[in-house]
Amino acid sequence: DAGITQSPRYKITETGRQVTLMCHQTWSHSYMFWYRQDLGHGLRLIYYSAAADITDKGEVPDGYVVSRSKTENFPLTLESATRSQTSVYFCASNAQGDTQYFGPGTRLTVL
Amino acid sequence: AQSVSQHNHHVILSEAASLELGCNYSYGGTVNLFWYVQYPGQHLQLLLKYFSGDPLVKGIKGFEAEFIKSKFSFNLRKPSVQWSDTAEYFCAVNPTGANNLFFGTGTRLTVIP
Repeated sequence: DAGITQSPRYKITETGRQVTLMCHQTWSHSYMFWYRQDLGHGLRLIYYSAAADITDKGEVPDGYVVSRSKTENFPLTLESATRSQTSVYFCASNAQGDTQYFGPGTRLTVL
Repeated sequence: AQSVSQHNHHVILSEAASLELGCNYSYGGTVNLFWYVQYPGQHLQLLLKYFSGDPLVKGIKGFEAEFIKSKFSFNLRKPSVQWSDTAEYFCAVNPTGANNLFFGTGTRLTVIP
């Protein structure tokens, strides 16, 4: 089915471990985004990508790494997870100048 | 600093009451404006958007929003809320030239049957 999917939906990990969150969209949207949602902060942009092989930092990029080798995929990696990275992570995509659509989210807990 | 402000953090209403949620932004120039809704345990869904034209925008489920440029506001309204409107509502701004959205902190709406 067309749309934007995220995996895993839930993840529990330990401090210091590497974690990768996956995002896949079937619309061939050029733009993709990663946000984190925390109480009292709304959604904050971590990284975004305007096209394959083009990525840029958002508001809160520290501790995260992204890549975009294919238009449809935009994985987010926490190289060494910290407790402060416990959050709900949303991936989103849009065509240039159009509405942004969100994935179902990944709830990450870092112990 | 540039920002998006939603001053109502938690609103509690009875069914059939009227709703107005405030959204103010501080970005200059032309902006695109959005309201998203997040039902409990779900992802964000678009309620309505304003790009240009008529400043009164109608969205899904009976929601509407009015863009008042002079006040830098984009308030969300619904004349009669239902229990199923219980959700968190986010205002978002896309300044012209920016690739991403800037979100407010959200307003949690609880509708009591």
